[in-house]
Amino acid sequence: EVQLVESGGVVVQPGGSLRLSCAASGFTFDDYTMHWVRQAPGKGLEWVSLISWDGGSTYYADSVKGRFTISRDNSKNSLYLQMNSLRTEDTALYYCAKDRAHIVGATFAFDIWGQGTMVTVSS
Amino acid sequence: DIQMTQSPSSLSASVGDRVTITCQASQDISNYLNWYQQKPGKAPKLLIYDASNLETGVPSRFSGSGSGTDFTFTISSLQPEDIATYYCQQYDNLPLRGTFGQGTKVEIK
Repeated sequence: EVQLVESGGVVVQPGGSLRLSCAASGFTFDDYTMHWVRQAPGKGLEWVSLISWDGGSTYYADSVKGRFTISRDNSKNSLYLQMNSLRTEDTALYYCAKDRAHIVGATFAFDIWGQGTMVTVSS
Repeated sequence: DIQMTQSPSSLSASVGDRVTITCQASQDISNYLNWYQQKPGKAPKLLIYDASNLETGVPSRFSGSGSGTDFTFTISSLQPEDIATYYCQQYDNLPLRGTFGQGTKVEIK
């Protein structure tokens, strides 16, 4: 079964750090660009970051640039999001998502999503 | 930055009705537009990619059209299971980034 399972979401104080993980199964993980997308409670979707199939290219939304770092370990079929200098506005459900494009580039067509992991930034 | 304007923000229609949602980009985005469905408490689901291509397994009552700046998503005959929020999403290549529309909540009248 094709699956993405996120973990690592907790309650953290403003200014704190957190690392989210996403475990992939059921597809050839290292063939695909991967993304993080978040959704604040009761709000819409916000794209956060992407990483190319080989980890050689990364991109970020302006709202997280310089604070978040996306990475992947293809030997472990895992995607990560290191979140530093957290702010209250980072409170959201964080999804990892697989890009539909095979190997080359990104189409931002997310055909597989995880169930999400909740990050709450609060004092 | 490219801005996306999705409308309406909500709509109410009867079962069997034709439902249309529009998304307008602030500049030409070619066909770099996708549509998603999100049911309450669930992850989003890809319905349409590259403006008009139906994702595998998605019912044919869903369709998308448009290019450039103006895009349309249509449900040809609304079903009770289509109650959800729908999002358009565009992506830029330079630099590579994605932007979702504000969402349209679809309800049954």
